Amino acid sequence: QSVLTQPPSASGTPGQRVTISCSGSSSNIGSNTVNWYQQLPGTAPKLLIYSNNQRPSGVPDRFSGSKSGTSASLAISGLQSEDEADYYCAAWDDSLNGHWVFGGGTKLTVL
Amino acid sequence: EVQLVESGGGLVQPGRSLRLSCAASGFTFDDYAMHWVRQAPGKGLEWVSGISWNSGSIGYADSVKGRFTISRDNAKNSLYLQMNSLRAEDTALYYCAKDISPIIAAAGTENWFDPWGQGTLVTVSS
Repeated sequence: QSVLTQPPSASGTPGQRVTISCSGSSSNIGSNTVNWYQQLPGTAPKLLIYSNNQRPSGVPDRFSGSKSGTSASLAISGLQSEDEADYYCAAWDDSLNGHWVFGGGTKLTVL
Repeated sequence: EVQLVESGGGLVQPGRSLRLSCAASGFTFDDYAMHWVRQAPGKGLEWVSGISWNSGSIGYADSVKGRFTISRDNAKNSLYLQMNSLRAEDTALYYCAKDISPIIAAAGTENWFDPWGQGTLVTVSS
């Protein structure tokens, strides 16, 4: 059971807009920034969004992130076949001695 | 180009030990915190441990506390994970990841992992 809750799957057709949610608590998303990682099949995770809504250089502006309260979202517009991947949210959790927590991951299928 | 190359994985019996290494290049290693993140077969990501730039701050997931020890050698641009008393549930692909900050993280700070290595597979089985 992951500390951050994501839907296990999402899907869309090419060109569509898809959103993936990430729900946490006051000790993680509620008080710290959220990062998103993309894991293409058979590869290592790659940073997709940092500090809630910032894109690293090279990440298309089709990808956007947002945060409100104890939840965050990743939106992908103009869906493309190469976006088919697993997506993970992550945040620092202040509870206990502090630790990083991840969502369980969302497998995005492009139909 | 920033590169992280993990090594040291393999098949090990329950209760035994294994030491993972991560060789870093392409950046000033002792300017950044480093982390180990693992992924069990077919499962999601789990943060295992992190270490600050000068080893002054170290953190562990509850699942490995007391069994795993993270360390770094800044002179050798290397990160390590000593894994003792291994269990079947420790079977996973272990990734090394670079933090954007010198410290692991703290309330209100902004940290993220970039980049990640390709991982080294640890299989715990008799």
